This record gives sequence, C-alpha cells and structure tokens, in this order.
Amino acid sequence: NAGVTQTPKFRVLKTGQSMTLLCAQDMNHEYMYWYRQDPGMGLRLIHYSVGEGTTAKGEVPDGYNVSRLKKQNFLLGLESAAPSQTSVYFCASSSSGSPLHFGNGTRLTVT
Amino acid sequence: GENVEQHPSTLSVQEGDSAVIKCTYSDSASNYFPWYKQELGKGPQLIIDIRSNVGEKKDQRIAVTLNKTAKHFSLHITETQPEDSAVYFCAASTDSWGKLQFGAGTQVVVTP
Repeated sequence: NAGVTQTPKFRVLKTGQSMTLLCAQDMNHEYMYWYRQDPGMGLRLIHYSVGEGTTAKGEVPDGYNVSRLKKQNFLLGLESAAPSQTSVYFCASSSSGSPLHFGNGTRLTVT
Repeated sequence: GENVEQHPSTLSVQEGDSAVIKCTYSDSASNYFPWYKQELGKGPQLIIDIRSNVGEKKDQRIAVTLNKTAKHFSLHITETQPEDSAVYFCAASTDSWGKLQFGAGTQVVVTP
C-alpha cells in the first residue's frame, strides 16, 4: 500500500517551460488536492477535486491547471513556468470525514 | 476567508521538557482542527486532530486543546524526545474533509 505517490521528486525548469506533476493514490479516496509550500507561509491550496472529472480553484490557482480524468490520479500543470512558482508541491487525498494523506512532495526550481 | 496564525515560529526545548504551540483562527465557522508533523524531505503527517464539539483530546504524549470562544487551539507535547524534532503545522477547516488553511509552521528542536 503506497498511499500517495508523487512524480517527479525534483525538477528544474527554465522560465517559460511547461511541465506536469503527477499524483497517484491507491486508497480509493474521493478528494484530492494540490498544495504548495513556501518558507514561512505554511501550505497553500492551489486546486482540489471532489471526484473524478471535477476540479475547483483553491487559494492560489493562478498559473496552474489541473485534471482528474481517473479517480486515482490528479495532475498539476504549469503551462509557462515563472520563478515565483519555485516551491515544494504536495499532493494529498482524503475521503469524507477522514484526514488528509500527503505525498512526499516535488521540489520545483524555475530559473 | 479563514486565516490561521501560529506561534512560535521556532521552539527549542530540552529533552524531557514540554512543548506548546499555539494557533488562532479567524472564521468562527471552522469546525475541524488537525495538527501535522513534517520531517525533513517528507510530506506532513497527521498526529492529532480535534473537532469543534470537543474541548480536548489526548493521544499518549500529545494533546490538543480548543477554545472556540477565543478561537484558538494549542498542541502540547509532554516528555519531549529527540525524535519529536520536526516542523509542526496547525490547520483549520470549515469542512470536515479537507480544504485546510494552514498556519506558517513551528520548527521544534529537542536537544538531548
């Protein structure tokens, strides 16, 4: 039982490049989330999904897109990376009334 | 929207002493308050949570207290051990399932 798996673990992008972060969960959870973590700011919600085929904006959605084509996967896309998107990205999943389970993060650097 | 403030930002304690971290929240509709522990290079892991219909909850050396009137909640760690060294985050939510608003985190260092 792997829980929440994020790929890749590390990535370096140049400004303007695009990339997709993949999150996979094997707990059959309905809800999935993408957070970003920056020093001194805790974790901030980017986008979330309450079920397959649905997505919604969180606190800091600008510059990101997401898709949830399968229940177990939640993709986070950056179409044109900017240095301000340098961060550690965490995916999480949960079921109704259950706590969030986090992956181990993707460290992204945009130069 | 909800705003969660967490203090202190760093906390250094001697092994065996107690550690207390405090959080305040702004939205009186918040009803779920989890605490997460994050070790270096890992994702946050839930250590304890409390819902708004409960004033205190304990799990071995860890306890959380909630004061709804004052809109603050606290994490208490007793008999601290070196393995308690980590970053701790409080969070609040108006849903019980997930859109969490996190505090900025507390770096706890337990020295032998």
